[in-house]
Amino acid sequence: AQKVTQAQTEISVVEKEDVTLDCVYETRDTTYYLFWYKQPPSGELVFLIRRNSFDEQNEISGRYSWNFQKSTSSFNFTITASQVVDSAVYFCALSGIILTGGGNKLTFGTGTQLKVEL
Amino acid sequence: GAVVSQHPSRVICKSGTSVKIECRSLDFQATTMFWYRQFPKQSLMLMATSNEGSKATYEQGVEKDKFLINHASLTLSTLTVTSAHPEDSSFYICSASGTTRAAEAFFGQGTRLTVV
Repeated sequence: AQKVTQAQTEISVVEKEDVTLDCVYETRDTTYYLFWYKQPPSGELVFLIRRNSFDEQNEISGRYSWNFQKSTSSFNFTITASQVVDSAVYFCALSGIILTGGGNKLTFGTGTQLKVEL
Repeated sequence: GAVVSQHPSRVICKSGTSVKIECRSLDFQATTMFWYRQFPKQSLMLMATSNEGSKATYEQGVEKDKFLINHASLTLSTLTVTSAHPEDSSFYICSASGTTRAAEAFFGQGTRLTVV
């Protein structure tokens, strides 16, 4: 069975602070994919990143960076110099093998509510 | 990224009525679509997987007769909540994938259903 744990339910920071959102996963698959999504109050899921299990390189995209540590089964997400617009719920998700017809069944973590205040 | 359109974005219905939610892939062939449900301040839970032209596969605990899923074409899947009750009020969101972009999951905007 797959499991994603986001231990931080809610984080509050002041604008311009750096913040790291933790994600720990469990899977028996040797090939898997990890995702991060942002969910603003409107509800839609905004795709941030997908990483496959064979690519352990860390990634940076603007103020966002991701640290994939296979040894600790973690895929943490850092926002540098946070802004009020970053306020949202962030979900980490995991999927296993691709289905025959294509597609991933995603297992989501419980999400972290990030509040960035002035 | 690919575009997945979900309609309606919000719907209010009376208890006992049925509601249909549409999920369309606008620029690729979605061989597989997934339907998720999210209660307030909770995570997204997979309800069912639908493949074009075949019956949907439901997750354990999801009532097939309550949540009817049809995936009749490569660009459209529908979720019908039958005989809706207040406890069916939730946020429903679909995702679509195709064989050419199999590892990706593109989500619709979601539908907020309120049953009164």
